[in-house]
Amino acid sequence: GQQVMQIPQYQHVQEGEDFTTYCNSSTTLSNIQWYKQRPGGHPVFLIQLVKSGEVKKQKRLTFQFGEAKKNSSLHITATQTTDVGTYFCAGPRVYGQNFVFGPGTRLSVLP
Amino acid sequence: KAGVTQTPRYLIKTRGQQVTLSCSPISGHRSVSWYQQTPGQGLQFLFEYFSETQRNKGNFPGRFSGRQFSNSRSEMNVSTLELGDSALYLCASSFTGARTEAFFGQGTRLTVV
Repeated sequence: GQQVMQIPQYQHVQEGEDFTTYCNSSTTLSNIQWYKQRPGGHPVFLIQLVKSGEVKKQKRLTFQFGEAKKNSSLHITATQTTDVGTYFCAGPRVYGQNFVFGPGTRLSVLP
Repeated sequence: KAGVTQTPRYLIKTRGQQVTLSCSPISGHRSVSWYQQTPGQGLQFLFEYFSETQRNKGNFPGRFSGRQFSNSRSEMNVSTLELGDSALYLCASSFTGARTEAFFGQGTRLTVV
């Protein structure tokens, strides 16, 4: 079945270091979304990418959608303690209207 | 505008009982999805409702069911609770489904003892 994978599962960084999480889908995606879930919180939408090769930036966050629309990445420059949380990517199921979420990458930032 | 509201926030039930969780989506949103999240696990899709019809269903046993009302509010029911059903149940609403941004509620933390 359709799968969305993310690596790494966990990442511990020192504050100020960069961080990247990668998302890979077993199928081509029409779009991909990224969500952040703070500890004890609920997932919050960050961004949606639609076009092949698309790159979007939100302050220190850079999102990229692969040329084949099967992978994506989220890069955080100079992490801060406020970046702590789990980052999920999600894409629409090929046959259906619901999302397929990746397992997430949990980011810890040491001050 | 008001966000997605889930009630109750916390629930403790005994094995074998049944439970009903409620989700009020953002006004105007017709798609409501339910997810189960357990420690260390990602978001496991339960089902999605759109305009009162179940449009998609995940791989959960028949003990898990749901419905959506004409005002888009949704309920999820779990019968014959098992210890393994202890989890955070999240509801997400969106305008049309997986091509639009999803807004999650704060979740209902269910503990089965």
